[in-house]
Amino acid sequence: QQQVKQSPQSLIVQKGGISIINCAYENTAFDYFPWYQQFPGKGPALLIAIRPDVSEKKEGRFTISFNKSAKQFSLHIMDSQPGDSATYFCAAVRMDSSYKLIFGSGTRLLVRP
Amino acid sequence: NAGVMQNPRHLVRRRGQEARLRCSPMKGHSHVYWYRQLPEEGLKFMVYLQKENIIDESGMPKERFSAEFPKEGPSILRIQQVVRGDSAAYFCASSPGERGEQFFGPGTRLTVL
Repeated sequence: QQQVKQSPQSLIVQKGGISIINCAYENTAFDYFPWYQQFPGKGPALLIAIRPDVSEKKEGRFTISFNKSAKQFSLHIMDSQPGDSATYFCAAVRMDSSYKLIFGSGTRLLVRP
Repeated sequence: NAGVMQNPRHLVRRRGQEARLRCSPMKGHSHVYWYRQLPEEGLKFMVYLQKENIIDESGMPKERFSAEFPKEGPSILRIQQVVRGDSAAYFCASSPGERGEQFFGPGTRLTVL
């Protein structure tokens, strides 16, 4: 059972454009939602995270939008740059559990110059 | 401050051999998580350990896989009698506490011939 569904699988954006990646979850017990960025040959690195009591969080060019009633959240990358080309993973965590990360399947982003 | 270290970075084994993957957490971190990433898939939780204790092994296959985090030394993920389906990237993450951010290592890429 896939607990966190992520789309699209791949995304191509022109430099300066907006990249949007969507995730949906099923378990209402999840209460922490981080996004990770992974470059080829590297481990994932935390990008930005949100808790369900907040509808939006912004850090620089990265914004998370959260819709608790729809059980959906999304990552927006404004003014996308070629250096943003990477694989992005959403994740969900139950804070009352072992804090293990439940990952989406990933989105491979390519930003063209 | 060195990050999470994993070795070896690449490991090749023939079917039936044993694979030992090592993870040295960041200094001051006593919580270790192991995740597996199959080709073209997201990361899947395997096991969560604290020093000398397995806290959550709900993601570990029932047979052939074991993990430990001794009082001294790195955490070890051990795969006995490897099969081709074990070929994957194995990532270790460490955190300073139960609810701390997880910092990922660069991973060990296991290839089973």
